[in-house]
Amino acid sequence: NAGVTQTPKFQVLKTGQSMTLQCAQDMNHEYMSWYRQDPGMGLRLIHYSVGAGITDQGEVPNGYNVSRSTTEDFPLRLLSAAPSQTSVYFCASRPGTGGNQPQHFGDGTRLSIL
Amino acid sequence: AQTVTQSQPEMSVQEAETVTLSCTYDTSESDYYLFWYKQPPSRQMILVIRQEAYKQQNATENRFSVNFQKAAKSFSLKISDSQLGDAAMYFCAYRIPYSGGGADGLTFGKGTHLIIQP
Repeated sequence: NAGVTQTPKFQVLKTGQSMTLQCAQDMNHEYMSWYRQDPGMGLRLIHYSVGAGITDQGEVPNGYNVSRSTTEDFPLRLLSAAPSQTSVYFCASRPGTGGNQPQHFGDGTRLSIL
Repeated sequence: AQTVTQSQPEMSVQEAETVTLSCTYDTSESDYYLFWYKQPPSRQMILVIRQEAYKQQNATENRFSVNFQKAAKSFSLKISDSQLGDAAMYFCAYRIPYSGGGADGLTFGKGTHLIIQP
């Protein structure tokens, strides 16, 4: 099982560019989410989805867009990259049933905005 | 808003010794879940242990155990017989059951960097 797969692993962008971070899971998990991790900080929730066609904002949603057209995929879009979005991004998924089920994380994408 | 506090930015322990990492949280909810995640230099997020707030019994997973004090809103992690492979960042995290009224996601502390001295 691949689990949660994030691509790319590393990316460098120029200010103002747009890009999409990909996230796919093969565990048939209903719930998916995106986090960012900055130095000295824990992970912070950007956006989440509780099923195909259903998305909502987390703690730090500004500058990011998401959509969920399938159960498997949950891409994160940066519309106009800013240096403040330099961070490591993690995608996670968990089953929709069983409230104590933990999030399973991808390996992260390190994004640098110049 | 819920907050999670890890008051120890860094801890150091001798190999084979026992170490306890602290975590406190602030919430008005009575039903929630608590987790400890380990992040080695590879930056993977690895689940160490979880605890349901409605369970009085402390969770254990091999050398890892927790001391869950619900009234004090405390959730510490004890690592027994520390091994070199335990060296990592450790994050405490909190989540409420998703019911449509709030976000489905984890609230993390800032982490504790655990160093294992050989």
